[in-house]
Amino acid sequence: GENVEQHPSTLSVQEGDSAVIKCTYSDSASNYFPWYKQELGKRPQLIIDIRSNVGEKKDQRIAVTLNKTAKHFSLHITETQPEDSAVYFCAARGNTDKLIFGTGTRLQVFP
Amino acid sequence: DAMVIQNPRYQVTQFGKPVTLSCSQTLNHNVMYWYQQKSSQAPKLLFHYYDKDFNNEADTPDNFQSRRPNTSFCFLDIRSPGLGDAAMYLCATSKRGMNTEAFFGQGTRLTVV
Repeated sequence: GENVEQHPSTLSVQEGDSAVIKCTYSDSASNYFPWYKQELGKRPQLIIDIRSNVGEKKDQRIAVTLNKTAKHFSLHITETQPEDSAVYFCAARGNTDKLIFGTGTRLQVFP
Repeated sequence: DAMVIQNPRYQVTQFGKPVTLSCSQTLNHNVMYWYQQKSSQAPKLLFHYYDKDFNNEADTPDNFQSRRPNTSFCFLDIRSPGLGDAAMYLCATSKRGMNTEAFFGQGTRLTVV
């Protein structure tokens, strides 16, 4: 079945540094790749997404890259701030409507 | 202007006592999802609907059932909750198609005593 792997599981960075989270997916029919930020006790919040016809997308300090050949996509956060600290999930969806989540990355940004 | 509403936010149920969680949406989305999220884990897809077409994940226990009487409402029934079913249950909706965001409700935190 569909599977999404995510690395690393935890990531600690100094404020102002960059953070990179990577995901790989198994279903070659996947065509939609969202990234969610989840704070403790709250619902996942969409922060950026990318479709399969695009290789890169940027929104201020956040960017996502997609390599369909390698079935790999990444989240890049630049100039990290303490309020970026949260759990981040990648996800992938294909033609079956299923939205499958990666295993999550706990990001800590130290002042 | 909440778009996906889950009730209740917190639910305490007794071991073995059936419980129903509800989700409603004002977006008229044709796809609805139920996820189970345990502490420090990723949301795990239990099942999803495309309109009334029900899709169960292979590893979803039989103890979990669902109903979608109309576009707006979807229910998660846990027939005999066990201690291991304590979790956050998230409902989400989306419109079918490759360019569509999924919208999440606030979740229902289920405690089994």
